[in-house]
Amino acid sequence: DADVTQTPRNRITKTGKRIMLECSQTKGHDRMYWYRQDPGLGLRLIYYSFDVKDINKGEISDGYSVSRQAQAKFSLSLESAIPNQTALYFCATSDSSTAISSGYNEQFFGPGTRLTVL
Amino acid sequence: ILNVEQSPQSLHVQEGDSTNFTCSFPSSNFYALHWYRWETAKSPEALFVMTLNGDEKKKGRISATLNTKEGYSYLYIKGSQPEDSATYLCASHPYNTDKLIFGTGTRLQVFP
Repeated sequence: DADVTQTPRNRITKTGKRIMLECSQTKGHDRMYWYRQDPGLGLRLIYYSFDVKDINKGEISDGYSVSRQAQAKFSLSLESAIPNQTALYFCATSDSSTAISSGYNEQFFGPGTRLTVL
Repeated sequence: ILNVEQSPQSLHVQEGDSTNFTCSFPSSNFYALHWYRWETAKSPEALFVMTLNGDEKKKGRISATLNTKEGYSYLYIKGSQPEDSATYLCASHPYNTDKLIFGTGTRLQVFP
């Protein structure tokens, strides 16, 4: 079974609809991230959370919100979807103790959710 | 925001060819450089993490080098195979942050 899972894997929705993308992990990591990937652009950070009570905006948080329901779950919501939010969305996790001991923050990714907003 | 650039954007090679591509990153404030391999419809998977100038890492036919002074890393694939077809992403990890700054990736296609 995959360590980081995302649901749904594909979603088509209409402009103005509210939509939630979910991420679950069994790695026991405390840090979780949401990225979007657009053609010709690198992965861009939307939001990140270093523990259940910690939520931080990334570089492109406008139009998105998140919820960290438990250490293992991190959801991304689009309150009112618009066409330019059509993208591939990735969830990732990392472990703070490993980051502190090794000095670098290796992240582990889910398979992505392909979202189309019509 | 720091810029991480990868070249070429895409690469088509024949099976058995060796290939290499480049990741450029700001050398100031550098802490680590990550390489990921991403096959379509799958999760990006970590290949290497490198921190020291002159570092060289190897995994099977894939190797990577790091030059932190001039701000670049090379990824080499020796004797490319069709199963090497994927997008190769690099990400810079600046000092004093736990965020990764990703490049746009190099899409490699290996034809039999």
